[in-house]
Amino acid sequence: EAGVTQFPSHSVIEKGQTVTLRCDPISGHDNLYWYRRVMGKEIKFLLHFVKESKQDESGMPNNRFLAERTGGTYSTLKVQPAELEDSGVYFCASSQDRKASGSNEQFFGPGTRLTVL
Amino acid sequence: AQKVTQAQTEISVVEKEDVTLDCVYETRDTTYYLFWYKQPPSGELVFLIRRNSFDEQNEISGRYSWNFQKSTSSFNFTITASQVVDSAVYFCALVPFWNQGGKLIFGQGTELSVKP
Repeated sequence: EAGVTQFPSHSVIEKGQTVTLRCDPISGHDNLYWYRRVMGKEIKFLLHFVKESKQDESGMPNNRFLAERTGGTYSTLKVQPAELEDSGVYFCASSQDRKASGSNEQFFGPGTRLTVL
Repeated sequence: AQKVTQAQTEISVVEKEDVTLDCVYETRDTTYYLFWYKQPPSGELVFLIRRNSFDEQNEISGRYSWNFQKSTSSFNFTITASQVVDSAVYFCALVPFWNQGGKLIFGQGTELSVKP
């Protein structure tokens, strides 16, 4: 079974440009999460989809970030326009079942390393 | 407040040494879940263990063991007879039960370097 995949693995852009990150969760997983790790700090939650619906987007830093999950399959996270402080590693994770989802194991992708110059 | 603290930023040991990674958490909830994840050089986070707050039994899995102590709000991770392949960043994480969305609250991570 394929794991969570993310594309691209690395992205280097200039301040003001737009970048779109993609995440393909494990097939059949309803829950999809985005997290971010900035400059060696803790990994922080960005948002949570259940199928195509945003369940919790309390961690999104500001309105320059837009996440979508059309059809409840893959998800994209767009940053427009990118700022220097957006640099970091963006992780996607998925889990299977929403019942007591606090206990569900989340399977992580390898992350996208975003560098904004 | 819900918080996880991993005070050790970096640890370096020589192969075959035992090493303990500390994790201290804060939560007002009586029901919660604790996790450890490993991030090897390939980048993805690999799940190691999940523990719920009602299960204080320590767990051993091969060279890995976990010591959960509610009295001190700690969930420490010990690697016995460390190997070079154990070199990675290790993250401790918390999910309060009320958070039915399951979002993980991570510590800052401990980078473990095991030298031959």
